[in-house]
Amino acid sequence: GAGVSQSPSNKVTEKGKDVELRCDPISGHTALYWYRQSLGQGLEFLIYFQGNSAPDKSGLPSDRFSAERTGGSVSTLTIQRTQQEDSAVYLCASSDSGSVPYEQYFGPGTRLTVT
Amino acid sequence: GIQVEQSPPDLILQEGANSTLRCNFSDSVNNLQWFHQNPWGQLINLFYIPSGTKQNGRLSATTVATERYSLLYISSSQTTDSGVYFCAVEPYTGGFKTIFGAGTRLFVKA
Repeated sequence: GAGVSQSPSNKVTEKGKDVELRCDPISGHTALYWYRQSLGQGLEFLIYFQGNSAPDKSGLPSDRFSAERTGGSVSTLTIQRTQQEDSAVYLCASSDSGSVPYEQYFGPGTRLTVT
Repeated sequence: GIQVEQSPPDLILQEGANSTLRCNFSDSVNNLQWFHQNPWGQLINLFYIPSGTKQNGRLSATTVATERYSLLYISSSQTTDSGVYFCAVEPYTGGFKTIFGAGTRLFVKA
């Protein structure tokens, strides 16, 4: 079946602009994660959604970052007033907590460049 | 918070060689996964292994949860094994926050 998809694959924006990144999880997966990977670094957890529960936002680096998940499926990560340090690859993962719990499957990522 | 340390940070192998990658974590975990990030950036699941031993072809992994480490074994390495190998844990008391190690960068020479 289809995997996790993300759009756009690349985004170049000017400092100070807002951006929206989209994630389509694997159909039926109830859990969704967002991560950030800076150049040559490991992954940094941003936010976690599970069903209708309140999201775990503990990894969001500032109040310029927010995320929504509509209808328990598609998620959007929004970065307001982008800064150059926001440049990174933003990765989305989903998991089916009903089968093999917490095994996460990743999308291809969105490469964000803030100029 | 929990610390996840991977070693070695970099590894160069001749094709056909075997290797062992290590992941140490500083606190109890609910879950542990190994991933391979290929040169194009895609993260690929290798193992979900909070405890015990699993094998998949030339790869195998062992997690000793009581001693807080996991090992990933690569046998008969191939050039396509090149990339970065990440260990990721979900702390027992950390909600759903998944913590990744810094990775082991592997290059397999033909």
